[in-house]
Amino acid sequence: GAGVSQTPSNKVTEKGKYVELRCDPISGHTALYWYRQSLGQGPEFLIYFQGTGAADDSGLPNDRFFAVRPEGSVSTLKIQRTERGDSAVYLCASTPAQDSGNTIYFGEGSWLTVV
Amino acid sequence: RKEVEQDPGPFNVPEGATVAFNCTYSNSASQSFFWYRQDCRKEPKLLMSVYSSGNEDGRFTAQLNRASQYISLLIRDSKLSDSATYLCVVRSNYQLIWGAGTKLIIKP
Repeated sequence: GAGVSQTPSNKVTEKGKYVELRCDPISGHTALYWYRQSLGQGPEFLIYFQGTGAADDSGLPNDRFFAVRPEGSVSTLKIQRTERGDSAVYLCASTPAQDSGNTIYFGEGSWLTVV
Repeated sequence: RKEVEQDPGPFNVPEGATVAFNCTYSNSASQSFFWYRQDCRKEPKLLMSVYSSGNEDGRFTAQLNRASQYISLLIRDSKLSDSATYLCVVRSNYQLIWGAGTKLIIKP
């Protein structure tokens, strides 16, 4: 389809393992966001890309979290040494440009469970 | 204090009733305001933008009060399908700051 695509849709992993979550934004969208949403909370900002560069990574909770977008399209969120507290849905969103806040498009999320 | 605050609910409302939610925000420099709807285990979807003059989309009316820094959403003639969590979102530059959402349950 033409929407934001996220894989895997569900991931169960053991504490301490490494996880990669992938986001394929809408073609041509230059801005890409990662959010994390825990149960009963709104989405929490993690990182924002404009093109290939991370324009703002201030939301990454610690150095176990890292994200890349090497070609300005697909992005991967990487979590090292996962902890049970990392369990959440990780949402990716894209927009045509950084000032198009009212046309942000979300993927369906990657549901991560750390056991 | 959270940057965007909402009553978490749940609001239990009979079908056909009118229901209103409020949301307050702390950053007076915020530029844009939105209501999103999120169904259980689904991603948020834009319901409507909120303009200073107030705006209406069918049964939904949104209002913004910049002086008091709050946003409201009114749903008239509520339907069973309106049951969802409603998230208030405030934008400053590229940043979207989300409320935790208000859960609405419409009962037959």
